[in-house]
Amino acid sequence: DAMVIQNPRYQVTQFGKPVTLSCSQTLNHNVMYWYQQKSSQAPKLLFHYYDKDFNNEADTPDNFQSRRPNTSFCFLDIRSPGLGDAAMYLCATSRGANTYNEQFFGPGTRLTVL
Amino acid sequence: DAKTTQPPSMDCAEGRAANLPCNHSTISGNEYVYWYRQIHSQGPQYIIHGLKNNETNEMASLIITEDRKSSTLILPHATLRDTAVYYCIVPIEYDGGTSYGKLTFGQGTILTVHP
Repeated sequence: DAMVIQNPRYQVTQFGKPVTLSCSQTLNHNVMYWYQQKSSQAPKLLFHYYDKDFNNEADTPDNFQSRRPNTSFCFLDIRSPGLGDAAMYLCATSRGANTYNEQFFGPGTRLTVL
Repeated sequence: DAKTTQPPSMDCAEGRAANLPCNHSTISGNEYVYWYRQIHSQGPQYIIHGLKNNETNEMASLIITEDRKSSTLILPHATLRDTAVYYCIVPIEYDGGTSYGKLTFGQGTILTVHP
């Protein structure tokens, strides 16, 4: 089945130690999104790629970066994780960057910062 | 983007229809209404979306009022596995001239299906 895969499902890092989360997709979708979901809150968009074009949300901290080396893979880099960055990180894809294509989400990576 | 209003929680008996309302009174003519749900500790799951007409798929039905200011998601025969947070979203169409279908999640409706 075509799907969105996130690895690892659980990640533990230390305060200030860089961490990378990965997302891959077999849907061949053009757009990939990264969301952050803190405990008991709704998901919040951090940024997205349309093909290789990167689009950052205005309120996404500089501590968060992303890379998309090819259509299938997208990475979320947190350069210096703080305690406030502990959250579920969700990757999603869609066929097009418009309002008539639904988004398909992965299972998420739960990040713990010690 | 059109904001949506949903009740914070609802209950439903297993086997009965669950009707989840959503108000989106500021929706514009070309904006779609989407429903996603999120089961505990999982990623959100797309359910259904519509523009003007009612829609039905294998998961649910979406009823949109004629003036498009509100909609109702119907799960015809709710099961315990339908217990989740249900999000009604009107994706932003344009932001600074770029259309990218941004989803802005509200707090959603916590649907609890009980035996």
